[in-house]
Amino acid sequence: DIVMTQSPDSLAVSLGERATINCKSSQSVLYSSNNENYLAWYQQKPGQPPKLLIYWASTRESGVPDRFSGSGSGTDFTLTISSLQAEDVAVYYCQQYYSTPLTFGPGTKVDIK
Amino acid sequence: EVQLVESGGGLVQPGGSLRLSCAVSGFTLSTYWMHWVRQVPGKGLVWVSRINSDGTTISHADSVKGRFTISRDNAKNTLYLQMNSLRVEDTAVYYCARGLLMNTFDIWGQGTMVTVSS
Repeated sequence: DIVMTQSPDSLAVSLGERATINCKSSQSVLYSSNNENYLAWYQQKPGQPPKLLIYWASTRESGVPDRFSGSGSGTDFTLTISSLQAEDVAVYYCQQYYSTPLTFGPGTKVDIK
Repeated sequence: EVQLVESGGGLVQPGGSLRLSCAVSGFTLSTYWMHWVRQVPGKGLVWVSRINSDGTTISHADSVKGRFTISRDNAKNTLYLQMNSLRVEDTAVYYCARGLLMNTFDIWGQGTMVTVSS
């Protein structure tokens, strides 16, 4: 199984400042035949189901604000919120879809400082 | 409006069974892979099962293999999860989710709570 880890466990960022979340996979999720990274990011607010933000490591889902961006390749990935807004308070999860079982990171809680 | 609505959760004793349903609307179920994902309240997300668009390819997490069965009725626009031999550790909110690119999850239901306790 591919194990996903995230850092930090939580972070507090001032409104308008940058938030950076890291995700690491225990093996590469880069598929050589199409050069795509099978890595997605989700946002989950309290009492709500998760929401897909990014797939293919860096492709924003339709309707997701452009302050959210994803980067990385192979085993190391980053989700960046360029200018934190109050509505971004949530837990963020990465997920690999390179192989089954599909696995998620443990989550990173983002709060306002 | 694209929507997934789960039902069938509840309280069940260890060793018991439940059948979850996920009614979909706003899109054609038969064109999408579908998944079940669970979450213990306050904890992380765990993928449970997936089924391809016509029901011929199924995968389950090892933790539920042999006990849970995912199925679908495209004519009824409904996804199912039959859960047998339930254990205390199966207690969680169960979400159905639509597969984007097969194995990411672009649409989620609100979830249904399953509690396994004596």
